[in-house]
Amino acid sequence: GAVVSQHPSRVICKSGTSVKIECRSLDFQATTMFWYRQFPKQSLMLMATSNEGSKATYEQGVEKDKFLINHASLTLSTLTVTSAHPEDSSFYICSARTSGGFTTGELFFGEGSRLTVL
Amino acid sequence: AQSVTQLGSHVSVSEGALVLLRCNYSSSVPPYLFWYVQYPNQGLQLLLKYTSAATLVKGINGFEAEFKKSETSFHLTKPSAHMSDAAVYFCAVSQAGANSKLTFGKGITLSVRP
Repeated sequence: GAVVSQHPSRVICKSGTSVKIECRSLDFQATTMFWYRQFPKQSLMLMATSNEGSKATYEQGVEKDKFLINHASLTLSTLTVTSAHPEDSSFYICSARTSGGFTTGELFFGEGSRLTVL
Repeated sequence: AQSVTQLGSHVSVSEGALVLLRCNYSSSVPPYLFWYVQYPNQGLQLLLKYTSAATLVKGINGFEAEFKKSETSFHLTKPSAHMSDAAVYFCAVSQAGANSKLTFGKGITLSVRP
């Protein structure tokens, strides 16, 4: 299967600072990547759809100025949590789809990034 | 519109026992269906998928699922549970078409007792 790599796996930061999380498709080109947030013992909440070369599409209720998404190449999307606060602490997971997944919706997931804001 | 229902949040089985995790879906068009597994502090791994071919789908780690249109179900089974199967399992649905998106169920935590 296709491989998606996410970095860092864990990050601890102070309140008010910004944190960047990278998501890379290692063996395929991903024109579309998705960013999810997962609270403890809950399902995945889609935050935004990242489109290569264009602006991300954010889900309702997600602050686009707080969660900046950049998809500058076909293999890399980044999520920057700006001015992080303790309530932003969460598990963030990225995913990408291959060209075959464009019509089936199948996604390949990164390992996830645990953000803790002190 | 599409949705997935996974009844219950936790299933506990003994090692060697049958695993049955239920998933029902709602979709206005023929769906694509997926089961993903998540181990602690990790992303999701695809177990198996139904994309309109055979209704009985075999996946990794001995899991399989059967698509039943009449029951709008896609239950996940494994004949004999192993301790390493303990994880959270997500059922997901999508609809065929351009820019298809996945919709996830709430997930079921599977515990395996020695």
